[in-house]
Amino acid sequence: AQSVTQLGSHVSVSEGALVLLRCNYSSSVPPYLFWYVQYPNQGLQLLLKYTTGATLVKGINGFEAEFKKSETSFHLTKPSAHMSDAAEYFCAVNRGTSYGKLTFGQGTILTVHP
Amino acid sequence: DTGVSQDPRHKITKRGQNVTFRCDPISEHNRLYWYRQTLGQGPEFLTYFQNEAQLEKSRLLSDRFSAERPKGSFSTLEIQRTEQGDSAMYLCASNFQREGETQYFGPGTRLLVL
Repeated sequence: AQSVTQLGSHVSVSEGALVLLRCNYSSSVPPYLFWYVQYPNQGLQLLLKYTTGATLVKGINGFEAEFKKSETSFHLTKPSAHMSDAAEYFCAVNRGTSYGKLTFGQGTILTVHP
Repeated sequence: DTGVSQDPRHKITKRGQNVTFRCDPISEHNRLYWYRQTLGQGPEFLTYFQNEAQLEKSRLLSDRFSAERPKGSFSTLEIQRTEQGDSAMYLCASNFQREGETQYFGPGTRLLVL
């Protein structure tokens, strides 16, 4: 079975500061890993994903994440936060015999202060 | 706009009533997924289809829930005899049947059961 743990349900940063959102996963097979962002009352939008190859993945809006197998982590970072980054972020894992469903973490709400 | 669409966007109903939601996936996608998201939680998988075949159902999908994708295009999710605990955002996603494929989400249907 697969699972995802996002450490910190709320993260608050100042505009221009580093954003770090933590994600750890559990999977019996090499995982596919995703970060999605959700704005209020909207669906989820993909930020980035890791499937195979380079472990440092770059996504939209200046976000990136690094797959670290030894730490079973896929933390999301952005060097400089912008007010528009305020949203809820979800880490998800997908792999298995059917490579169908996504298993999501609980989410992290990012607040950006001016 | 050729994204995933869901209808209605909001639904208020009384306990015991039946409700039906519709999802139109991205036209060339052969996989369609349903998730449920309650306040403060990540989306939870309900079921998914490959073309018209329902390949997996979560234990969350009680016998009051039924989903169909009769022609392999749009899908419906019906909840019979709604309960207050069914209040949630119901999300639909679609993608191609390939490992690591991104799931593209619709805007969701928010259900409130009074």
